[in-house]
Amino acid sequence: AQKITQTQPGMFVQEKEAVTLDCTYDTSDQSYGLFWYKQPSSGEMIFLIYQGSYDEQNATEGRYSLNFQKARKSANLVISASQLGDSAMYFCAMREFRGNTPLVFGKGTRLSVIA
Amino acid sequence: DTGVSQDPRHKITKRGQNVTFRCDPISEHNRLYWYRQTLGQGPEFLTYFQNEAQLEKSRLLSDRFSAERPKGSFSTLEIQRTEQGDSAMYLCASSYITRGVDYGYTFGSGTRLTVV
Repeated sequence: AQKITQTQPGMFVQEKEAVTLDCTYDTSDQSYGLFWYKQPSSGEMIFLIYQGSYDEQNATEGRYSLNFQKARKSANLVISASQLGDSAMYFCAMREFRGNTPLVFGKGTRLSVIA
Repeated sequence: DTGVSQDPRHKITKRGQNVTFRCDPISEHNRLYWYRQTLGQGPEFLTYFQNEAQLEKSRLLSDRFSAERPKGSFSTLEIQRTEQGDSAMYLCASSYITRGVDYGYTFGSGTRLTVV
């Protein structure tokens, strides 16, 4: 069964600094996708970035990049040049494509950006 | 179509009452998902539909919960005889899948249920 682990309940980062949010996963499937979502206090889940298991390059989307280490089964999110508006909950999630399973989420990391 | 809509945004109910939530997905999306999120946790999968067919239900979906998606459009999630443990955010998401490829989920803003 697929599983997502986020070991950092909370993180603090100084404005304009970079921060890494950790995510490890467990799956027996060879074909899967890894996702990061942001959830502000308003509650909506905002898609940030996607990495496919067969993608050879790390995904990047603006200030977000995904440090994908397949052998270690980790998919850490890196946010560069943090902004106050980045303060939110961040969730790592995964889908197994062969089993066509729904997204499974980790418990999340609360990021607080300090001015 | 501006996204996934959920109604109501907030619901307070007394224990033992029935509640129903509605989700309107993005119109061209053929898959619809329901998740539950309790405080301090990530969303947990409840059930999903492809068009009008309910394809999978989680063990979390007890017999007090029922979901429908008539005509493959909007969906409703009903909780009967609510309990305090049902207090949570209920999130709906939709996606478009064709030839086995899912083009990603879009989430609604959720319905926050408080059972008193």
